[in-house]
Amino acid sequence: DSGVTQTPKHLITATGQRVTLRCSPRSGDLSVYWYQQSLDQGLQFLIQYYNGEERAKGNILERFSAQQFPDLHSELNLSSLELGDSALYFCASSPTGISYNSPLHFGNGTRLTVT
Amino acid sequence: EDKVVQSPLSLVVHEGDTVTLNCSYEVTNFRSLLWYKQEKKAPTFLFMLTSSGIEKKSGRLSSILDKKELFSILNITATQTGDSAVYLCAVGSSSGSARQLTFGSGTQLTVLP
Repeated sequence: DSGVTQTPKHLITATGQRVTLRCSPRSGDLSVYWYQQSLDQGLQFLIQYYNGEERAKGNILERFSAQQFPDLHSELNLSSLELGDSALYFCASSPTGISYNSPLHFGNGTRLTVT
Repeated sequence: EDKVVQSPLSLVVHEGDTVTLNCSYEVTNFRSLLWYKQEKKAPTFLFMLTSSGIEKKSGRLSSILDKKELFSILNITATQTGDSAVYLCAVGSSSGSARQLTFGSGTQLTVLP
């Protein structure tokens, strides 16, 4: 168990809808990262928050947004969903704001299916 | 653009075999290379390498980095069915404002009894 908690585990929704994915980092970790994993793309970095502030942005669509709250949990909001957004969404956390100097610890992911 | 390439894409072996997984990279301002094991769910951390030529070892798994030739290998000896997983390589760089990990597509290892 990595200590990173993601909810829900599965989500099935229709095109055009909006969903919210939730992540609680490991105790003591200040950074939260969101990744998207689809069959043909591998793990793609979306966005990072460190201690409540956005730290870095990757290939995140404008329809997607995230935030990190004062208790350090994070939410990823996906709107105007398309079939191509179906994927496994991972949250990861680390103690520092720099991803390359300490390992990321991943949650079990939320599997999103858009029909 | 940072690039991480893993090979082979998939590998099927029998229990007891030794396997070598490869990871090559092209990144600006290399900082670290990490190996993860992904079974059905979350990737779990295996090794973090920052210096060339220093082998990291954990049980039957070991890994080494060559910063001159820009690659790393992950060795698994005396494989067991529980080693079946996707093995992911990720490279961290400090280039640009992102400073993020770039992941390879993974090697799918299947160990048959």
